[in-house]
Amino acid sequence: GEDVEQSLFLSVREGDSSVINCTYTDSSSTYLYWYKQEPGAGLQLLTYIFSNMDMKQDQRLTVLLNKKDKHLSLRIADTQTGDSAIYFCAESSGNRDDKIIFGKGTRLHILP
Amino acid sequence: EPEVTQTPSHQVTQMGQEVILRCVPISNHLYFYWYRQILGQKVEFLVSFYNNEISEKSEIFDDQFSVERPDGSNFTLKIRSTKLEDSAMYFCASSGRGTNEQFFGPGTRLTVL
Repeated sequence: GEDVEQSLFLSVREGDSSVINCTYTDSSSTYLYWYKQEPGAGLQLLTYIFSNMDMKQDQRLTVLLNKKDKHLSLRIADTQTGDSAIYFCAESSGNRDDKIIFGKGTRLHILP
Repeated sequence: EPEVTQTPSHQVTQMGQEVILRCVPISNHLYFYWYRQILGQKVEFLVSFYNNEISEKSEIFDDQFSVERPDGSNFTLKIRSTKLEDSAMYFCASSGRGTNEQFFGPGTRLTVL
């Protein structure tokens, strides 16, 4: 079945770039997402990329997609303390009411 | 900015009791979802709902679960007889026409004792 895998923890110094990696198994994935969850809060959609794209940039966020290897990454430039959260990689087939399949989430810890 | 809201934020119940979790999706959205996240685990899909009927449900969504859109604004998840393993954070989401962007609510933490 569909699966999304990501590392569980990442520590980065404030001001450095953070790179969170993810792999997925479903070759029919059309949308690939990054969600952010702050403590006690819901899931905030940060960005998403269509499977026919290689890269998407949005301010400090850069998403890279290697469709051949089914590898997705999220780069956060100039990481700030406010970026401390759990980041979920997710995918869906793109049908209008299709479910989203989530990874377990990567906890990003910012070092001073 | 419109947002999905959920009530209550935390529900504590005894095993075997019925619970109803409530959600108010974004007003012009047409597709509604429930997901759950057991502590420390993945966010898992439970059910999707469109045009007043279930579109898809996961194997988790057994006969103990039901969903309803009783009045055109609320979207509810009912668990008829709660089990200890139903303890989790339950997220409601909604999406609009022509998009797969799902907006999530803040979640309801369900604790079954």
